[in-house]
Amino acid sequence: LAKTTQPISMDSYEGQEVNITCSHNNIATNDYITWYQQFPSQGPRFIIQGYKTKVTNEVASLFIPADRKSSTLSLPRVSLSDTAVYYCLVGEGTYKYIFGTGTRLKVLA
Amino acid sequence: DVKVTQSSRYLVKRTGEKVFLECVQDMDHENMFWYRQDPGLGLRLIYFSYDVKMKEKGDIPEGYSVSREKKERFSLILESASTNQTSMYLCASNPATGVVETQYFGPGTRLLVL
Repeated sequence: LAKTTQPISMDSYEGQEVNITCSHNNIATNDYITWYQQFPSQGPRFIIQGYKTKVTNEVASLFIPADRKSSTLSLPRVSLSDTAVYYCLVGEGTYKYIFGTGTRLKVLA
Repeated sequence: DVKVTQSSRYLVKRTGEKVFLECVQDMDHENMFWYRQDPGLGLRLIYFSYDVKMKEKGDIPEGYSVSREKKERFSLILESASTNQTSMYLCASNPATGVVETQYFGPGTRLLVL
């Protein structure tokens, strides 16, 4: 199972773009990269998932370089409500994901 | 929208008590999971189930058991609660179809064992 490394915490100001990078040097051929968001006292919530290149949805973008050894979650124009913990996961799906400690993002006014 | 509900948001039990945590999902998902979340350790998988009456151990099954008698319900059982089982417990579910599926989480149960 691939292991991920991501920064423990980040601060940003409202309206800025936030990029959180995750390293996964041992990612396997069949592994997808998935990001979750968790607010205090709630369960994690799916944000975005990708396999290669770039994926964009209404919430975020996910950039994956050709070697797939890292990925970057991009949150455009963050607001105070984006303050949360963000988890990067790699795996083949279903139960084969490992949740690390995540990145605690704090958005400041 | 998928809805995963957990029987309690907060629970206080005494050491040695038998504790039942219940999880129900309304989307006919085959897979269901129990995690515990502790500061500095992230989420750790306790057990998962891929069908009724089927179960598989996760990373930290010791001290826990599970029951899945109906597809929509997955119970986590602490046979004899201990203080080191004080934690946030999260239930999740997902369908078995497709190559990769995301998990849908419940709101969590914060358990305090005294």
